[in-house]
Amino acid sequence: AQSVSQHNHHVILSEAASLELGCNYSYGGTVNLFWYVQYPGQHLQLLLKYFSGDPLVKGIKGFEAEFIKSKFSFNLRKPSVQWSDTAEYFCAVYSGGGADGLTFGKGTHLIIQP
Amino acid sequence: EAGVTQFPSHSVIEKGQTVTLRCDPISGHDNLYWYRRVMGKEIKFLLHFVKESKQDESGMPNNRFLAERTGGTYSTLKVQPAELEDSGVYFCASSHGSVTEAFFGQGTRLTVV
Repeated sequence: AQSVSQHNHHVILSEAASLELGCNYSYGGTVNLFWYVQYPGQHLQLLLKYFSGDPLVKGIKGFEAEFIKSKFSFNLRKPSVQWSDTAEYFCAVYSGGGADGLTFGKGTHLIIQP
Repeated sequence: EAGVTQFPSHSVIEKGQTVTLRCDPISGHDNLYWYRRVMGKEIKFLLHFVKESKQDESGMPNNRFLAERTGGTYSTLKVQPAELEDSGVYFCASSHGSVTEAFFGQGTRLTVV
């Protein structure tokens, strides 16, 4: 069964710091990769996704992620974080086989200090 | 356009009681998914409806969980009787096509005491 590993469960940064959240997945075939974010009290929303093509994907709110197939990784980055980026971030994968749903990581709780 | 809406946002019940969670998908979305996140764990897939039919219920934990989607519109997830380990956040998502295009709700936080 496929799995997703997020390396950091809690991250605390100061405003303007650079961010990188790690994500590795275990499935060896073709995958679709996602990063979702949940701001406090809000719905889970899509930040960005990778299906094919350019491995550097740009999403909303200045976020980007890079798919490195050889490392089974899809790390999320942002050059300069803001206080409003405080949220929980989830990496997810879909392989098209097995269960119909996405496979998520455990999430990373990001706190940005003013 | 209204998003995926879940009711209630929070629920606290005693062990052994029954709770029903509701999900209103985006209008016109035939696909509806339920997920659950137990504290500190991954968000896990529970089941997938296509209209009113269960397409995949491989993630349902046991027979205390019953999901329905009468008429192919809103869906309910009933837990009866609830156990302590059922506590967590239950997410619903809907899509017109593939799950890769799904929109999620804000989740229902269920606490069983």
